[in-house]
Amino acid sequence: GDSVTQMEGPVTLSEEACLTINCTYTATGYPSLFWYVQYPGEGLQLLLKATKADDKGSNKGFEATYRKETTSFHLEKGSVQVSDSAVYFCALWEAGNMLTFGGGTRLMVKP
Amino acid sequence: NAGVTQTPKFQVLKTGQSMTLQCAQDMNHEYMSWYRQDPGMGLRLIHYSVGAGITDQGEVPNGYNVSRSTTEDFPLRLLSAAPSQTSVYFCASREQGRETQYFGPGTRLLVL
Repeated sequence: GDSVTQMEGPVTLSEEACLTINCTYTATGYPSLFWYVQYPGEGLQLLLKATKADDKGSNKGFEATYRKETTSFHLEKGSVQVSDSAVYFCALWEAGNMLTFGGGTRLMVKP
Repeated sequence: NAGVTQTPKFQVLKTGQSMTLQCAQDMNHEYMSWYRQDPGMGLRLIHYSVGAGITDQGEVPNGYNVSRSTTEDFPLRLLSAAPSQTSVYFCASREQGRETQYFGPGTRLLVL
């Protein structure tokens, strides 16, 4: 079945540092890929998505590229802020199925 | 639009008690689902519904019941609470044919 593996956290960075959170997936077909973000005390919000190979999703300075050859969808940001502190979830969706989530990665950004 | 709403925000139960977690959405979405979030395990699907009158089991359905009598509401029932059901519960909805899910703010449940 489908599965998503993401790097374990927590990831602790200083403000303005570069961020990469790794995400790899296993799927039977051609899934859509997502990054969701959960700020403290809140539900999940869609951060970005990509629906086919080589697509790049981007939002709020975050980017992720759908790499079919490596089955990856790594999340990147060039300069993190304290306000980016949150839990980040990688997820995939195949038509007819429900969302499959990774275990989540907690990011802590220190001033 | 209020989006997806959940009540209560926090609940403490004793082992063996029953309760219903409420979920409602005002976006006329066909698909609704319940997830539980546990540390290090991401979100796991409990039950889902593809429309009024239709429900199905997800990855971890044991100990939970659902019903979908209207498009808007999708309550989750704990029949006899157990400490293993201590978790944060999220309800989500999406439009048929669209991938993006919209999540409620969550219900934090503690079973003693």
